[in-house]
Amino acid sequence: DVKVTQSSRYLVKRTGEKVFLECVQDMDHENMFWYRQDPGLGLRLIYFSYDVKMKEKGDIPEGYSVSREKKERFSLILESASTNQTSMYLCATVGTGSFYNEQFFGPGTRLTVL
Amino acid sequence: KNQVEQSPQSLIILEGKNCTLQCNYTVSPFSNLRWYKQDTGRGPVSLTIMTFSENTKSNGRYTATLDADTKQSSLHITASQLSDSASYICVVIYGGATNKLIFGTGTLLAVQP
Repeated sequence: DVKVTQSSRYLVKRTGEKVFLECVQDMDHENMFWYRQDPGLGLRLIYFSYDVKMKEKGDIPEGYSVSREKKERFSLILESASTNQTSMYLCATVGTGSFYNEQFFGPGTRLTVL
Repeated sequence: KNQVEQSPQSLIILEGKNCTLQCNYTVSPFSNLRWYKQDTGRGPVSLTIMTFSENTKSNGRYTATLDADTKQSSLHITASQLSDSASYICVVIYGGATNKLIFGTGTLLAVQP
């Protein structure tokens, strides 16, 4: 079974703090994604990566950056957290370079920025 | 504008009853459509995936249908159980070579004893 883990289930940070969200997968998948999920808006793509050290902006990249130094690990960075970044963050992975394959999601990190 | 709309937003049914969730999309070029189940506080888990040539696909008590002409899909749940209480999300993959995903906002289903 594919396992996608996220570093924290719940996180509370203050405005202006630098925040790191980590995602680790154990299936050697090439593609990894970061989404945020807000009520009434569905999941929205922040960034994705199709290989180590490669990254592409999604639909809402502003205020975020990412890092993919190793294939199994994809980090989402909030350089200076703001209250409007309070959300549920979901990491996902899919293998073989094809979007036809199923995306496997991590359990999510609920981030609150005060 | 590419959109995925789901209805109803929320639904309450009694245990043992059937229900149908709807997904309408205005996405082109269409590639495939997936239904995900998301339990509270968890990440989504795939239930079914359908390409444009498939009309129906089942996964246990879950049956998804797709009408590519009217751009509609439905998810039918038979003999509901308390564990079916979750959010059900419709995801449309489109864009040909670029393969982008659009997520619906989900239907929140509550199954009551």
